[in-house]
This record gives sequence, structure tokens and C-alpha cells, in this order.
Amino acid sequence: QSVLTQPPSASGTPGQRVTISCSGSSSNIGSNYVFWYQQLPGTAPKLLIYRNNQRPSGLPDRFSGSKSGTSASLSIGGLRSEDEADYYCAAWDDSLSGVVFGGGTKLTVL
Amino acid sequence: QVQLVQSGAEVKKPGASVKVSCKASGYTFHTYGISWVRQAPRQGLEWMGWISGYNGNTNYAQKVQGRVTLTTDTSTSTAYMELRSLRSDDTAVYYCTRDYTGGRIDHWGQGTLVSVSS
Repeated sequence: QSVLTQPPSASGTPGQRVTISCSGSSSNIGSNYVFWYQQLPGTAPKLLIYRNNQRPSGLPDRFSGSKSGTSASLSIGGLRSEDEADYYCAAWDDSLSGVVFGGGTKLTVL
Repeated sequence: QVQLVQSGAEVKKPGASVKVSCKASGYTFHTYGISWVRQAPRQGLEWMGWISGYNGNTNYAQKVQGRVTLTTDTSTSTAYMELRSLRSDDTAVYYCTRDYTGGRIDHWGQGTLVSVSS
């Protein structure tokens, strides 16, 4: 059971916008930055979003992040087949004094 | 560019220990920490602990505390993760990550598969 809650799956067709949610509590998302990672099949995760809504240099603006209260979300616009991957949210948890991850969302591009 | 290069796959028997290395390059090692994250087969990500690249201070996840030790060698910009008393449910890919203060992971190593089986 993950501390942060994500839907196990999401899907969309090419060109669509998809949003993945991440729900936490006051001790993690509510008081700390949210990070998002993309894990393509068979590879290591890669940073997508840091500090709630910041994109690393070189990442297309099709990817965006937001946070409100104890929830966060990742949006992917102009969906492409290469976006098929697992997506994880993460945050520091003050009560656990550690990093907590969501269970991951498998994105399928139909 | 930032690179984290990990040691190769390991096969261990239950009760044994494993030590995985992670050599960092492309940044000033002591200005960031290293978090270790593992991923069991077909499972999600699990944080194991963090070590400061500056002074070696550590913070371990409760689940592995007492069995894991994180260390660094600043002379070679290398971090190490040792896990003892291995069990079958420790079978996973272990990742080292660059983590500024704990919870700010921005780069990942390629992963090291540790298989525990009798």
C-alpha cells in the first residue's frame, strides 16, 4: 500500500490530453514539493516535473504539473505513442522522515 | 552531464550481504546527497535511505533500518549501499539517485539487479 495514491492505469488516443492524479496528506504533498517521474519499459525512471510544476530543461511543454492542497496532478498534452510508460509521483513525508512514492500509473496510448 | 554508474548484477543466497556501488560524475559530489530506491519485479518504487555527500549524515527508511548501511567515498565520488541478511523479498532493481536534501531526486543510475534465491 503506497502512501501516495495514484490510479493504476490511464489511457488516451494520440493528440489527446491525459491527466494523472496523486493524492496524499498534510505531511507529504500538503507541506512539501511534488516530483513526477517517467519510467519507460525496461529503463530507469527519469525526472519529468520538480517542485510541483517545474520542467527540466529540454522537456517539452506538453508535460505540466500542478498541486493543490494535498493533491497533485500531471498532465500530458498532445499524447504520443512514445509517452506509453509508468508514471510515479513522489514527495518528502515529514511524519515518516522519508521519501514516499505513489504506486505508479501505467499510461497506454490507444 | 550528470552520470551515476552502478555496479553489475548480483546473485545472492538468503542470509548473505550485498554491496552496490554508484560512481557519480558531472557535478560536485559533496554538494548533493544520494538516495537509494529499489523496485521489486513488476512493483513500484520504494525509497530506502539518503546519505549526505557533504558530511555522510544518513537517514534510513524504517523498513530496512538495521539491515542497510549507506556510505560514500568522496575521494572517488562513489556511494555504496550495503544490505545484510538478505531475503527473497529483497530481490529487486536497486537505483542510486542524486538527491539534494532528501525527496528532491533529479538523476537516476541505470539500476543494479540483486537476485536473492537459494
